Amino acid sequence: SQQGEEDPQALSIQEGENATMNCSYKTSINNLQWYRQNSGRGLVHLILIRSNEREKHSGRLRVTLDTSKKSSSLLITASRAADTASYFCATDAASGGSNYKLTFGKGTLLTVNP
Amino acid sequence: ETGVTQTPRHLVMGMTNKKSLKCEQHLGHNAMYWYKQSAKKPLELMFVYNFKEQTENNSVPSRFSPECPNSSHLFLHLHTLQPEDSALYLCASSLQLLTSGSYEQYFGPGTRLTVT
Repeated sequence: SQQGEEDPQALSIQEGENATMNCSYKTSINNLQWYRQNSGRGLVHLILIRSNEREKHSGRLRVTLDTSKKSSSLLITASRAADTASYFCATDAASGGSNYKLTFGKGTLLTVNP
Repeated sequence: ETGVTQTPRHLVMGMTNKKSLKCEQHLGHNAMYWYKQSAKKPLELMFVYNFKEQTENNSVPSRFSPECPNSSHLFLHLHTLQPEDSALYLCASSLQLLTSGSYEQYFGPGTRLTVT
C-alpha cells in the first residue's frame, strides 16, 4: 500500500515547546503533503514538498523529506494551544494509467497544553 | 473559510431514505473529490472528477452515487445506506489533475452522516 503512516499516533506537549511528527511510506512518490484537521472539521493544507526537495519552511512549520528512507517529518516550533489538531501526511503517486491521487495516513493527534 | 462549502453539515437518515450531499467550490478548480472519514481509519478516497469526468471510483458500493454537473458542483446521492456508512463525508477540490502529479487540495467542512 502507498499509505503514509504517521508516528506518533498522539503527542502531548506544553505551549512553547516544539512538536515533531513523522511520516513513513512504502513506494515512490511525486510529492508529499501535510494537512491539519481540527476536531470534526475539514482538512487544511499546510505544506507540499516535491520528491526532489529536501526541506521546506512555512512560518513556524518545517518539513523535511528523505526519499532514500521514504520518510518525512513535520516540525512545529514554539507551539501554541491553537495548534491542537490532528496532522496528516498524504503521499501523491500514480494510481494507475496517468492519474495521480493522494493517500492519507491515520494522522497524529497533537495536544498543546496551555 | 477554504472556498469549499458543503450542505447539509449534519444529516440523520434511516436505511430506507434517499438523500443527497452537496458540495460547491468557488476557487476555479477543475478537480473535485469525495472522501469518507470514519473513526480510527485513514481518510478514504471515494470518487474523483476531473473536468466533470469521473476518473476514480475506489470500489465504492452502488448505494453511493456521485454526480458532477459542472466543475464547481459535486453531489453524492445516498440510498439504502447501512449503519456502517455513518461517517464524516468530506468534499475537496484542486487544480486539474496532471499526468505529473497532484496539487494541494482544499477541503469543505464536511457532512456528519448518521444512518439509523
